[in-house]
Amino acid sequence: NAGVTQTPKFQVLKTGQSMTLQCAQDMNHNSMYWYRQDPGMGLRLIYYSASEGTTDKGEVPNGYNVSRLNKREFSLRLESAAPSQTSVYFCASSAGTALAKNIQYFGAGTRLSVL
Amino acid sequence: GQSLEQPSEVTAVEGAIVQINCTYQTSGFYGLSWYQQHDGGAPTFLSYNGLDGLEETGRFSSFLSRSDSYGYLLLQELQMKDSASYFCAVLGSLTGGFKTIFGAGTRLFVKA
Repeated sequence: NAGVTQTPKFQVLKTGQSMTLQCAQDMNHNSMYWYRQDPGMGLRLIYYSASEGTTDKGEVPNGYNVSRLNKREFSLRLESAAPSQTSVYFCASSAGTALAKNIQYFGAGTRLSVL
Repeated sequence: GQSLEQPSEVTAVEGAIVQINCTYQTSGFYGLSWYQQHDGGAPTFLSYNGLDGLEETGRFSSFLSRSDSYGYLLLQELQMKDSASYFCAVLGSLTGGFKTIFGAGTRLFVKA
């Protein structure tokens, strides 16, 4: 049972390079999220997709774009990487209902360094 | 705006009980969750309180007071493996669905 799968696990970029972080879930969840986590800080929401076909900005969307490719997949793109985007990125999914407590299931994370 | 406050660090001895507090300020509040994260790992869900009172799951309990905008996580019979970061998170509404806002986390050190 894979749950939430993120690729790649590690990545080093040079300033100005672009890349796409991939995320897929096999739990038939409606909602998917991208967070970044910086040392000593909590998880900050970058973008979310409440349901297939919709995406919205979170707290820190600048410098990122997302695509909800289908119900399973939600990708995060850095068009022109900057050192300030060095972070650990987590993808998460949830059923997306208050009844389900919106419990979020996280991928293993992508550790990104921008030089 | 929305904000959550929790202590940055807590240290306790193996076998003891520790309480991690969380106060929050948010609109459209549905409930309070707790997540655990070990170093290098991903956050994992521990508990959820949608109503006032205590929820118990094994050695872990969580409490919520909606009127006080306050909750806590109680860990009993501490074990070394409980050394981790613990995040409180409020569940609120947003366009088209629900959002979870995470606190900055409390790092728990369990000593032998």
